[in-house]
Amino acid sequence: KAGVTQTPRYLIKTRGQQVTLSCSPISGHRSVSWYQQTPGQGLQFLFEYFSETQRNKGNFPGRFSGRQFSNSRSEMNVSTLELGDSALYLCASSLDSGGSTRNEQFFGPGTRLTVL
Amino acid sequence: GQNIDQPTEMTATEGAIVQINCTYQTSGFNGLFWYQQHAGEAPTFLSYNVLDGLEEKGRFSSFLSRSKGYSYLLLKELQMKDSASYLCAVRDLNTGGFKTIFGAGTRLFVKA
Repeated sequence: KAGVTQTPRYLIKTRGQQVTLSCSPISGHRSVSWYQQTPGQGLQFLFEYFSETQRNKGNFPGRFSGRQFSNSRSEMNVSTLELGDSALYLCASSLDSGGSTRNEQFFGPGTRLTVL
Repeated sequence: GQNIDQPTEMTATEGAIVQINCTYQTSGFNGLFWYQQHAGEAPTFLSYNVLDGLEEKGRFSSFLSRSKGYSYLLLKELQMKDSASYLCAVRDLNTGGFKTIFGAGTRLFVKA
């Protein structure tokens, strides 16, 4: 079974631009979460999508948005890029069968975004 | 709110045992995870605890005490390849559903 894939792997943008990152979850996984990882802050939760609906959102400004398609693929968008948005953006998918089952997350390789 | 604390760095010797602690505060606890992340790679799942006690899986064990908001990851017979960051993560259930919150990670250095 193929793992979580993310495109592009690397991206260089300038301040003020916008960017769209893509994530394809493991087949059959319905939940997709996005995280921002920086050396000082660790993994910060951005948002989670399930069946095309945003179920949860972290404490990020409205410049960060996302969506999920009917095939569970997800995209996140960052508008009006700032220098501080430079980070590794990780996508994770899980089966999410509900309740207290394990439902561990499987991470993609990430997109390394550099804002100049 | 939610808060997860774990040491920033630890160093241990090859062949030894190391314990990485994690304390957490959350309102809707629904499970605790440990992930391993090698430099430049994505995190990979190591263990899951939802009930109190010890879960053993090969050289790795994880313990949970829900009343104390405390967990640890125990690595035995350390190998050089165990040098990595270890992330403690708590799944929280709130009105919006499940959300997994990660600690900043503990960087483990294994020396010969």
